[in-house]
Amino acid sequence: GENVEQHPSTLSVQEGDSAVIKCTYSDSASNYFPWYKQELGKGPQLIIDIRSNVGEKKDQRIAVTLNKTAKHFSLHITETQPEDSAVYFCAANMFSGGYNKLIFGAGTRLAVHP
Amino acid sequence: EAQVTQNPRYLITVTGKKLTVTCSQNMNHEYMSWYRQDPGLGLRQIYYSMNVEVTDKGDVPEGYKVSRKEKRNFPLILESPSPNQTSLYFCASSWKQGGLGGYTFGSGTRLTVV
Repeated sequence: GENVEQHPSTLSVQEGDSAVIKCTYSDSASNYFPWYKQELGKGPQLIIDIRSNVGEKKDQRIAVTLNKTAKHFSLHITETQPEDSAVYFCAANMFSGGYNKLIFGAGTRLAVHP
Repeated sequence: EAQVTQNPRYLITVTGKKLTVTCSQNMNHEYMSWYRQDPGLGLRQIYYSMNVEVTDKGDVPEGYKVSRKEKRNFPLILESPSPNQTSLYFCASSWKQGGLGGYTFGSGTRLTVV
């Protein structure tokens, strides 16, 4: 079945540095790749997503890149701030029994130190 | 405010005592889903619902039941909870099937079965 691997599991950076989280997926038919941010005590929240017809998408300090040939996609956060500290999940869609579903990675705990 | 509301936030119960976790959304979404979150495993889908009276198993359905009698509500039922169901549970809804376009997640229910 579909598998999404996410690395690293933990990431520690200094405020102002960049952070990169990488994910690989196994189903070549996947065409939707969202990223979720989960703050302490809250549910995951969609922060950015990308579809397979584009290679990169930006929204202020965050960007996502997609390499369909290599089946991997990455989240880039520039000029990190303490409020970026959270757990980040990547996901990829897969078709199963005629229906779409999302398969999530295991998560990356990002700590941004002032 | 558009939201998914889960109750309770925290629950400690004993093995075998039936319990229900409620979930309600106010966005008129047709698609709803239950996930469990465990360390190192990310978010795994338990059950999903395409619409009223239409539900199906996700990746880890054993030991769980759901119902969808109204569009806004999607309760998760544990008929005979066991310690391996100790986890963090999230309800989510989406305007698009399978979470494509983005899920709105509830704040989570932390369940402990002793």
